[in-house]
Parts: sequence; structure tokens; C-alpha cells
Amino acid sequence: DAKTTQPNSMESNEEEPVHLPCNHSTISGTDYIHWYRQLPSQGPEYVIHGLTSNVNNRMASLAIAEDRKSSTLILHRATLRDAAVYYCILLTSGTYKYIFGTGTRLKVLA
Amino acid sequence: EAGVVQSPRYKIIEKKQPVAFWCNPISGHNTLYWYLQNLGQGPELLIRYENEEAVDDSQLPKDRFSAERLKGVDSTLKIQPAELGDSAVYLCASSLGTAKPGTDTQYFGPGTRLTVL
Repeated sequence: DAKTTQPNSMESNEEEPVHLPCNHSTISGTDYIHWYRQLPSQGPEYVIHGLTSNVNNRMASLAIAEDRKSSTLILHRATLRDAAVYYCILLTSGTYKYIFGTGTRLKVLA
Repeated sequence: EAGVVQSPRYKIIEKKQPVAFWCNPISGHNTLYWYLQNLGQGPELLIRYENEEAVDDSQLPKDRFSAERLKGVDSTLKIQPAELGDSAVYLCASSLGTAKPGTDTQYFGPGTRLTVL
């Protein structure tokens, strides 16, 4: 199973953009990149996913490197409610098995 | 639309006692998952159901853990007997299961926090 590497923690000021990086150098051609986040005392929440092209939704944007060996989750204006652990996950084609790492703990400063 | 419902939210038991967790997935979701989450770690898959069938239980410690999903809707995860190391959060998730692999979004419940004394 392909693995991902994320920084343990990051900080951001409120209302500023946040770029959360993820390295996945062993990604295969059909692996989808998924991002989830987990707020305190809650289960993980879907944020966004993509394969090759950059993706946007109401929560965030996902920028995928051309060689697909890394990706960046972009929160355009961080709020205090965005403080959470963000997980970058590769979903191997043909399976439904998420393999979560330890994620990045995002702290948003008022 | 109601999300994934889990009960109880918290459970404290003594070691060697049995315990059960209940999950009601989102209506219409064929696939149901149970995860274990230790403190400071990401969730780890225990078992995945497609309708009533357990299609991936390779990570379920079968000597003490069991699960069932009767009628392909609600599911129960049981531990008997519980050990101190079982203290963790047990998460249930569901998905439509009809999307092609790689795109099926999972929706998680709030989890049950188990403390074994």
C-alpha cells in the first residue's frame, strides 16, 4: 500500500490561506488522493479528493503535482473552526481501504 | 439527512468484561466499516461489510472481537473479553459502495470512546 508523509503540525493565522502538504512518492497511476479532517471528539470528515487534476469544492482546493508525487490541500481563509487533524490518504484503485497516517494537526491562531 | 449514528458515545468497563458497540449507517449506504483509533493515531480498519457480507476482516482480532450486520443495515461490534489495550475510540463509517473504487466517500460517525480499567 502506498504511503503518505505529512508534517506533524502547522499553524496559521485566522483568515489567512493555509497550504497543507503531503508527499506520496510511491503513488501508483490509479491511486486517488483523498483528504479528510478530524475535529476534536468527532469522526473524520471528507474534505476533497482527486486523481490528476486540481480540484475545488466549497471546503478547499486540492493541488496535485504534475508527477503526482505530492499534493497540497489549500484552505483559502482559515477560521478557528478549521482547527483539526488533516489526513492525506491514498486510495488504491480496486480497493476501498483507507490507510490513515498520523496526519497534520492544524492550529489556527485568532 | 441523518449522519452515521453510534451508541454509546462513551463506555467504561473493567477488563475481562464484554462490551458491544452499535452503528446505524446513513440510509441507502451499502458499505459499512468499523475502525479503531488509538490516541494520537489515525483510524485503522477492522472490518468492512458490503451489505450483510464481511468482505474484509483481515485486521479484526477474531479471538476476542466479533461483528455482525444483520439485514445489511445496522451493525454491532463486540469485544469479549475486553483487555486494557482495547481502550480506544471505535469509529463506524458508511459509504454508498456503488462508486468505482478510489472515489467512494466514507462518512464517519462520532465514535465510541472505550475505557477498560
